[in-house]
Amino acid sequence: DAGVIQSPRHEVTEMGQEVTLRCKPISGHDYLFWYRQTMMRGLELLIYFNNNVPIDDSGMPEDRFSAKMPNASFSTLKIQPSEPRDSAVYFCASSLTQGLRETQYFGPGTRLLVL
Amino acid sequence: DQQVKQNSPSLSVQEGRISILNCDYTNSMFDYFLWYKKYPAEGPTFLISISSIKDKNEDGRFTVFLNKSAKHLSLHIVPSQPGDSAVYFCAASSWRETSYDKVIFGPGTSLSVIP
Repeated sequence: DAGVIQSPRHEVTEMGQEVTLRCKPISGHDYLFWYRQTMMRGLELLIYFNNNVPIDDSGMPEDRFSAKMPNASFSTLKIQPSEPRDSAVYFCASSLTQGLRETQYFGPGTRLLVL
Repeated sequence: DQQVKQNSPSLSVQEGRISILNCDYTNSMFDYFLWYKKYPAEGPTFLISISSIKDKNEDGRFTVFLNKSAKHLSLHIVPSQPGDSAVYFCAASSWRETSYDKVIFGPGTSLSVIP
């Protein structure tokens, strides 16, 4: 299996632009998570889906952030408009079974820089 | 307010010696704990976990100890190897109704093992 795939790996954009991050989870996994990593706050859970349905989006920082999962093999995290403080590494992860105790498999991350 | 704390941002250890990474948590409802390891430019990978019904779990060179009364856990790596140099994240979750609640990650500790 190729593991969790994220694209792009790096993104540099200007403040005010729209940014779309993409994720393909491991086939058969029914949970998908979006995390953000910063030096100050470490790894923060932004939102997670179960069977393509958003379950908990309480970690999404503002209305500028939105996430979708149109099908079992694809999810997007969109920031519109982007701001410099959104600069971070964004990880997507997936897991197989119900219950978050199960091992989550992380993608390589997207490093976002907003100028 | 961080529910999972790793108060040492970094740690350096000589090869062959023991590495001890510490983690404290504030939520007494947490009953499942995990350690993830992260290399640069990669996503975190699961390392070891422990349920609150245990106070120790061992996997090869890695042992996690849990002290529920102190709300403290630690990861011991013996002997430490240069390949163990990475960022280590402590994480915790709790049982909620019919499934586990979301996983809360600590800010991470960067371990350097010096040859």
